[in-house]
Amino acid sequence: DAKTTQPTSMDCAEGRAANLPCNHSTISGNEYVYWYRQIHSQGPQYIIHGLKNNETNEMASLIITEDRKSSTLILPHATLRDTAVYYCIVRYNQGGKLIFGQGTELSVKP
Amino acid sequence: DTEVTQTPKHLVMGMTNKKSLKCEQHMGHRAMYWYKQKAKKPPELMFVYSYEKLSINESVPSRFSPECPNSSLLNLHLHALQPEDSALYLCASSHKREGGDYNEQFFGPGTRLTVL
Repeated sequence: DAKTTQPTSMDCAEGRAANLPCNHSTISGNEYVYWYRQIHSQGPQYIIHGLKNNETNEMASLIITEDRKSSTLILPHATLRDTAVYYCIVRYNQGGKLIFGQGTELSVKP
Repeated sequence: DTEVTQTPKHLVMGMTNKKSLKCEQHMGHRAMYWYKQKAKKPPELMFVYSYEKLSINESVPSRFSPECPNSSLLNLHLHALQPEDSALYLCASSHKREGGDYNEQFFGPGTRLTVL
């Protein structure tokens, strides 16, 4: 599975959009980009995933660059409850592995 | 039911004890996973079961023994653990078509294990 690079930490003001970047320059053609988050002392939570196209669901939007070497997770109106560690993961859907990197610790501040 | 449940929430055991962690899901998922997470570190994959058969073992020591007795249950049997095995143990499940892709994983809340 391709490796990802994320900033260690980020701050965001409550009510503003949180934009979390991820670099995955060695991603291969059939690897998907997945985002999970882990709120303190809870299990990770699936947020969104995509292959080439931008994706949106009720939680977030995922923007993948045309060359697929990077992506951005957007939380449109961050709340205090969005404070968590956010993990960007690339993986083959044919394999069972989900390899977590160090993630970005997002702090949403009032 | 869209939950993965894990019992117990907390477990304290001595190095000579035998204990088991239990994970259950009723979403009809046919792939189940065990992860280990040390404090302030990301989760690390331990085992993957697909259709009740072990498909991935990430070189986990034999003192950890997984078991998948049916499509809803996943156990992790623990024996002769070391203090460094103290961690949060997470279970997850995902939909998987036979011979097809693994979908996104749903995680349980974890069992916090302390080995004395």
